Amino acid sequence: DAKTTQPPSMDCAEGRAANLPCNHSTISGNEYVYWYRQIHSQGPQYIIHGLKNNETNEMASLIITEDRKSSTLILPHATLRDTAVYYCIVTVGTDKLIFGTGTRLQVFP
Amino acid sequence: NAGVTQTPKFQVLKTGQSMTLQCAQDMNHNSMYWYRQDPGMGLRLIYYSASEGTTDKGEVPNGYNVSRLNKREFSLRLESAAPSQTSVYFCASSEMGARQGTQYFGPGTRLTVL
Repeated sequence: DAKTTQPPSMDCAEGRAANLPCNHSTISGNEYVYWYRQIHSQGPQYIIHGLKNNETNEMASLIITEDRKSSTLILPHATLRDTAVYYCIVTVGTDKLIFGTGTRLQVFP
Repeated sequence: NAGVTQTPKFQVLKTGQSMTLQCAQDMNHNSMYWYRQDPGMGLRLIYYSASEGTTDKGEVPNGYNVSRLNKREFSLRLESAAPSQTSVYFCASSEMGARQGTQYFGPGTRLTVL
């Protein structure tokens, strides 16, 4: 699975959009981009995934660049409850998800 | 649906003691996983079971054994606990195929080995 690079931390004002970047320059054609988050010490929570097209669900939007070497997770209206560690994972969808250290997003009032 | 449940929530062991962590899912998923998370680190895969009756090693299997008891249940056993196994343990499950990357996690078991 391709390696990902994320900033260690980011801040966002409540009500504003949070844009979390992820670099995956070695991604191969059949690898998906997955995003998970972990709130405090809870189990990770699936957010969204995509292959090449942009995706949107009730939680977030995922924008993947045309060359697929990077992506951005967008939380359109961040709330205090979105404070968490966000993990970007690239995988072919097989059994092994490799979690890095992620981005710690702090949403402030 | 309860999703993925884990027992116990907390456990303190002495070095050399054994214990089994239990995990169950009610989503009829084929695949199940055990991860550990050390402070300030991401999750690391210990063992996984792609389907009932099969198990495979992950990234950090040493010191652990697993049993896929049936489709619902996947247990993790520490035969002789060591302080290095102090960690938070998460169980997860997923469907097979292209959606295997979508895993559902339990609340975790916080284990301290003295």
